[in-house]
Amino acid sequence: DAGVTQSPTHLIKTRGQQVTLRCSPKSGHDTVSWYQQALGQGPQFIFQYYEEEERQRGNFPDRFSGHQFPNYSSELNVNALLLGDSALYLCASSLLGLGGGSGANVLTFGAGSRLTVL
Amino acid sequence: DAKTTQPNSMESNEEEPVHLPCNHSTISGTDYIHWYRQLPSQGPEYVIHGLTSNVNNRMASLAIAEDRKSSTLILHRATLRDAAVYYCILRALHMNYGGSQGNLIFGKGTKLSVKP
Repeated sequence: DAGVTQSPTHLIKTRGQQVTLRCSPKSGHDTVSWYQQALGQGPQFIFQYYEEEERQRGNFPDRFSGHQFPNYSSELNVNALLLGDSALYLCASSLLGLGGGSGANVLTFGAGSRLTVL
Repeated sequence: DAKTTQPNSMESNEEEPVHLPCNHSTISGTDYIHWYRQLPSQGPEYVIHGLTSNVNNRMASLAIAEDRKSSTLILHRATLRDAAVYYCILRALHMNYGGSQGNLIFGKGTKLSVKP
């Protein structure tokens, strides 16, 4: 049973460019969340997608956008890249299902996409 | 989600038990206590969670104080592969679709080093 897969694993961009990162959730999961992890810090929540809609968003500018497809996979797009966007971008999936969520709900993370902005 | 406090780092010897503490004095009565860990060059990995009673699984044990203001993650026999950053996180019991279901609030965690 494949877990969460992310692509690409590493990429280098220059300031002002745009980037798209991709995520396939764990089989059976319907919800995808994205996190940004700067070096030496804990992951920071960007946003969550469920039923192809953004359900919650962290404190990130509109340059960060996303999409969820009918097969539950997801993309994270970042426009007008800044040097400070250099980080590990993590995708996590979970099953929200019909219950509306529970504090017992567990997330499965991918290995991340390492973005370097020069 | 309520805030947690963990030591920045801890050391352990291989094959000895490890007790990783977490303080969460502002926990609400319906918050679950979750632990994740992040091995080098990997994404976070779920370890264990609990609400009021102590919990055991194949990876670890979770001991929850009677007043729930603190908890301890117990690795019974540390191995070199347990060297990681361990995060203690609180999650609300009931979350709506528009609520914080996907929003794990990570601190800096505890970096565990295991010596051979």
